[in-house]
Parts: sequence; C-alpha cells; structure tokens
Amino acid sequence: GQQVMQIPQYQHVQEGEDFTTYCNSSTTLSNIQWYKQRPGGHPVFLIQLVKSGEVKKQKRLTFQFGEAKKNSSLHITATQTTDVGTYFCAGYSDYKLSFGAGTTVTVRA
Amino acid sequence: DSGVTQTPKHLITATGQRVTLRCSPRSGDLSVYWYQQSLDQGLQFLIHYYNGEERAKGNILERFSAQQFPDLHSELNLSSLELGDSALYFCASSALGGSALSYGNTIYFGEGSWLTVV
Repeated sequence: GQQVMQIPQYQHVQEGEDFTTYCNSSTTLSNIQWYKQRPGGHPVFLIQLVKSGEVKKQKRLTFQFGEAKKNSSLHITATQTTDVGTYFCAGYSDYKLSFGAGTTVTVRA
Repeated sequence: DSGVTQTPKHLITATGQRVTLRCSPRSGDLSVYWYQQSLDQGLQFLIHYYNGEERAKGNILERFSAQQFPDLHSELNLSSLELGDSALYFCASSALGGSALSYGNTIYFGEGSWLTVV
C-alpha cells in the first residue's frame, strides 16, 4: 500500500536559520498536502500542491511538489519561535490521505 | 475553531471495554476521516466515509468499526480495548472526497478525543 516517508524526524534549529523537511511517497500522488500541529493541538492545513513541479510560497514557507509527483519539500527561512511544532506531509491517493511521520521542529532562541 | 466537533474530549476506560467516539463534520462537508495518533507516532489513517459510504480503509483493527449516518455525523466504535489502543483519535472532514483528483479538498481536523485504556 501507499507509504509516505518524511525526514528528518526531528529538526533543532537556531532562530533565524533556514531548514528543509522532505517527504517521499512510494506511489504517485494526485496531490500532496502539508499540515502543522502545534504541541497539544490538532493538525492544521497549510497548503495543497497538485501539479507536477508546483512551487508555492506562504511568507517564509516554500512548498515544492516533485516532477514525478512522488516527493515534496517544505523549506522555512529565517526560522522563528512561532514555527515550533510538527509538520506533516500527506499524500492523497485512492481516497486515502496518508500522513508522513512528521518533522518535529524546535527552535533555539 | 475548525468547525469539526468531537466528543468526548477525554475518556478513561478499562481493558476489555467498548467505547464510541463521535464526530460532527463541518457544515456541508460530506467526507469524514478517522485518524489515530499514538504518543510519538504520526497520524495513522483508519477509515474514510463519503456521504454515508465507506470509501477507503487504512490500518483499522477488526475490533474497531465506524459508520457515517444520514445526517453525516460519524461514530468510531472501539471494542475489546487493549492498553495499546490508548491514543488521540482525530476526526477530520472535507467537502469533497469523491474524486482522486479533487483540488482544494482541504481536510479540517477536530480537536481529537483522548482515549486512555487502563
């Protein structure tokens, strides 16, 4: 079945630095979505990518969907303390939205 | 507030017991998804219902069952509970779900139901 793998599992970042989290699927996806879960909270939708090679930006966050629609990345620039949380990618295929294990981000001030 | 309502928020029960978790989707949403999140685990997809019909099944145990009612609310039934079933159970809803190419099929999560089995 479909598997979505995400790396790294943990990301410790100095405030102001950049980082990237990567997502890979074992199957081709119709779309990929990114969610953020703050500690103690529930996942909140960030963005959806549908087209091959699509790139979308939300302020300091840049999301990319691979050409083969099997991988994606989230790049955050100038990390802030408000970026703390777990970032999940989720691949949609055959009516299932399967989540990666997430990248838990902590920020050193 | 995502508009997805889950009850109860917290539940403590003994092994071997049965519980029912309830979910009311956002107004107008036809799809309901159930996910299990254990400590330090990701979100494990359990099941997806669309307009009352089961659309997809994930790693849902045979001891677990779900249904979506005509008013679109959904229930997740967990029986013969084991210690390992302790987790946060999320319900999510979306407007669509009938097409694999649906664009804008944003999924909105409820706040979850914390289940502790003792």
